[in-house]
Amino acid sequence: EAGVAQSPRYKIIEKRQSVAFWCNPISGHATLYWYQQILGQGPKLLIQFQNNGVVDDSQLPKDRFSAERLKGVDSTLKIQPAKLEDSAVYLCASSSLAGRYNEQFFGPGTRLTVL
Amino acid sequence: KNQVEQSPQSLIILEGKNCTLQCNYTVSPFSNLRWYKQDTGRGPVSLTIMTFSENTKSNGRYTATLDADTKQSSLHITASQLSDSASYICVVSATGNQFYFGTGTSLTVIP
Repeated sequence: EAGVAQSPRYKIIEKRQSVAFWCNPISGHATLYWYQQILGQGPKLLIQFQNNGVVDDSQLPKDRFSAERLKGVDSTLKIQPAKLEDSAVYLCASSSLAGRYNEQFFGPGTRLTVL
Repeated sequence: KNQVEQSPQSLIILEGKNCTLQCNYTVSPFSNLRWYKQDTGRGPVSLTIMTFSENTKSNGRYTATLDADTKQSSLHITASQLSDSASYICVVSATGNQFYFGTGTSLTVIP
């Protein structure tokens, strides 16, 4: 079974620039999550999708962050314009509604550095 | 308020020694608790998952315990190896696919 794929793995941009991250979840997983993980901290949920609908985006800074999952499969997370404090690892995870444990599976993350 | 707290924040141990990491939570309604290992530069990988009725679960040298009454969990690592150096994150799931993350314990194993 292929895991959660993310790209790019690393990105360096200057503040006020735009950036986009891509995530391909495990096939058949209905739920997709984007997390922001600042160095030394646990992941913070930015947005949760179930199929192509948003379940929770309460912690997404909507003035600069946006995310979509148009066909209920792949997802993109965009930051426009970026700030220095956006430097972090952006993790994508997916989970299935079926199964006993509703376990999340994480991708390798995208490390963003904003200069 | 649903929260997950982990201790210690960081830990340094000698190779071959044992250690125990702690996780306290206030998440309700409780669904399950899992421990993840996160190597530097990688996404978290699940070590153990426990539901309300499970009070211990092992995965090789990793043994997790759960006390649902006191809302505490521990992760015990036996005979540590250099490759155990990582962050260990406790995640508590509430019903409805809601996940609450601890801030993690950074473990460093030195030779």
